[in-house]
Amino acid sequence: AQKVTQAQTEISVVEKEDVTLDCVYETRDTTYYLFWYKQPPSGELVFLIRRNSFDEQNEISGRYSWNFQKSTSSFNFTITASQVVDSAVYFCALSEWGNTGKLIFGQGTTLQVKP
Amino acid sequence: NAGVTQTPKFQVLKTGQSMTLQCAQDMNHEYMSWYRQDPGMGLRLIHYSVGAGITDQGEVPNGYNVSRSTTEDFPLRLLSAAPSQTSVYFCASSYSITGAATYEQYFGPGTRLTVT
Repeated sequence: AQKVTQAQTEISVVEKEDVTLDCVYETRDTTYYLFWYKQPPSGELVFLIRRNSFDEQNEISGRYSWNFQKSTSSFNFTITASQVVDSAVYFCALSEWGNTGKLIFGQGTTLQVKP
Repeated sequence: NAGVTQTPKFQVLKTGQSMTLQCAQDMNHEYMSWYRQDPGMGLRLIHYSVGAGITDQGEVPNGYNVSRSTTEDFPLRLLSAAPSQTSVYFCASSYSITGAATYEQYFGPGTRLTVT
């Protein structure tokens, strides 16, 4: 069975600190996709990134970066120089290859960035 | 494009009442899904559809029905509401080149349902 674990329930940092959100997944599939979504206080879900299981290159997008390590089944998300606007709930999710209708989400990590 | 729309935004039901949560998308997406979000549990898949006329169960399907008669619409029916169904419900849609890849889901704004 597939499973995603985000062990950090809540993280609080001061603005400009770097913060890493952990995501560990379980799957028997050899091909799969991983995602990160952001849920700001307004409640909508915002897509951040998707990564397929063949591509272990790290990705950087502005202050955001993602570290995918297949050997440890982890897909961690780092925010550099955090800002108050980064305060949100962040979800990691896993999907079978080719089945876009079915995402398995982690429990979410609430990030609070204090000024 | 309106994207994914959900109605209503808020709803209060009494135990035993039935209702339908509406979901529509105007992006011609094949895939549509329903999730519920409960504190500390992330989002859990209720039902999903890979195209008009085709639906399948997710992780928590009990107490919910779906059908997909058109590409655009994917309503979620609560047959006899229970307090355990108090939650925030999200509808999502996505596209896929069949079997070739998995793409991100686009989410609606959510429906907050309270069952008393």
